[in-house]
Amino acid sequence: GAVVSQHPSRVICKSGTSVKIECRSLDFQATTMFWYRQFPKKSLMLMATSNEGSKATYEQGVEKDKFLINHASLTLSTLTVTSAHPEDSSFYICSASYPSWDRGRLNTEAFFGQGTRLTVV
Amino acid sequence: EDKVVQSPLSLVVHEGDTVTLNCSYEVTNFRSLLWYKQEKKAPTFLFMLTSSGIEKKSGRLSSILDKKELFSILNITATQTGDSAIYLCAVEARGLGSQGAQKLVFGQGTRLTINP
Repeated sequence: GAVVSQHPSRVICKSGTSVKIECRSLDFQATTMFWYRQFPKKSLMLMATSNEGSKATYEQGVEKDKFLINHASLTLSTLTVTSAHPEDSSFYICSASYPSWDRGRLNTEAFFGQGTRLTVV
Repeated sequence: EDKVVQSPLSLVVHEGDTVTLNCSYEVTNFRSLLWYKQEKKAPTFLFMLTSSGIEKKSGRLSSILDKKELFSILNITATQTGDSAIYLCAVEARGLGSQGAQKLVFGQGTRLTINP
């Protein structure tokens, strides 16, 4: 089955430093990956769409200079939180879509990484 | 603006009860609706629904989509304490990515608690 691996699962960093989170599709190629952020007791909020070989597309209200996304290959996307601030502390999850057939129709199912809990102190 | 709304936001029932979780949506270029279960970490996939009126079942869980009324329900029968989790509804829609790549828009989630 399709597996998406996210690393690290947990990171603690000091204010002002940068943190890189990796998202890898292990057994399939993902031209598009998605980055989400989840606040405590809240749902997932889409931050940006990561496109292989081109610039990421950010959702409204997400600072692209703060959350740098690089999709250098068909199996790897990275999210770098720059100049981290305590309010950036959150749970970050990536997902990649994998096509499947259902009743003769091509569907795409999103598989999630394990998530990264970022704490900025 | 694409929107997915779940109800109730929180539900507490006794073991053995049957629950129905609701999800309504307004999105452009709808492709599919998905249900996820989230316990401690990343969500785990439950169902993908693309056609109206066709029930999908997996054990005690079932789900159905109504594309005319723009909603879906997730039923859980004979609930168990292990069903306690946040249930997320997401709609796959055409996003802003290259070639109009799809994106998932999530609802707020329903926090389900099953008491013994």
